[in-house]
Amino acid sequence: KNQVEQSPQSLIILEGKNCTLQCNYTVSPFSNLRWYKQDTGRGPVSLTIMTFSENTKSNGRYTATLDADTKQSSLHITASQLSDSASYICVVSHTNAGKSTFGDGTTLTVKP
Amino acid sequence: DAGITQSPRHKVTETGTPVTLRCHQTENHRYMYWYRQDPGHGLRLIHYSYGVKDTDKGEVSDGYSVSRSKTEDFLLTLESATSSQTSVYFCAIGVGEGSPLHFGNGTRLTVT
Repeated sequence: KNQVEQSPQSLIILEGKNCTLQCNYTVSPFSNLRWYKQDTGRGPVSLTIMTFSENTKSNGRYTATLDADTKQSSLHITASQLSDSASYICVVSHTNAGKSTFGDGTTLTVKP
Repeated sequence: DAGITQSPRHKVTETGTPVTLRCHQTENHRYMYWYRQDPGHGLRLIHYSYGVKDTDKGEVSDGYSVSRSKTEDFLLTLESATSSQTSVYFCAIGVGEGSPLHFGNGTRLTVT
């Protein structure tokens, strides 16, 4: 069964600190991997997307990495801000255009 | 925000009644998706559409039907609502590379 597992489930950090969120997947065949940020009460917003051949992608203070051999991805947040408090969701897409598998998300809380 | 609107934003209905949720986009994207989000589960695909009148089932399609008569509108119908369908429903749009580009802000449905 295609699965996406994220860790940790939740994380609390102080404002200004860095953090790294993990995503392991078993989806095969693999098309791309996307990280989303979901604020409370809102829909997810795409942060990065990576294909099989890419191993890093940045969007401001967010940097995603991908190791397609080990089927692992990480999302690194630099110099965290209070507005980074949200759920971060890893999504792996199959080669079938309509199908994606979503992780359960990591809830990040940034405290002043 | 991307041009995607869900209506209604909140709805309370009784078991056994039919319910229709609407998703409207102004981006002219080919792909439209319906997901549900529940505690303890990642976003799960209900149905998706890859063009007008072209739809396919997702992983949790039982009890739901969809219709897409125009590019901009994607309707989700609960034929006879049950309490297990209490959830937050998200519509999303995309260009077909596997995962949605943009999500709506969700419809919170409560079935009593």
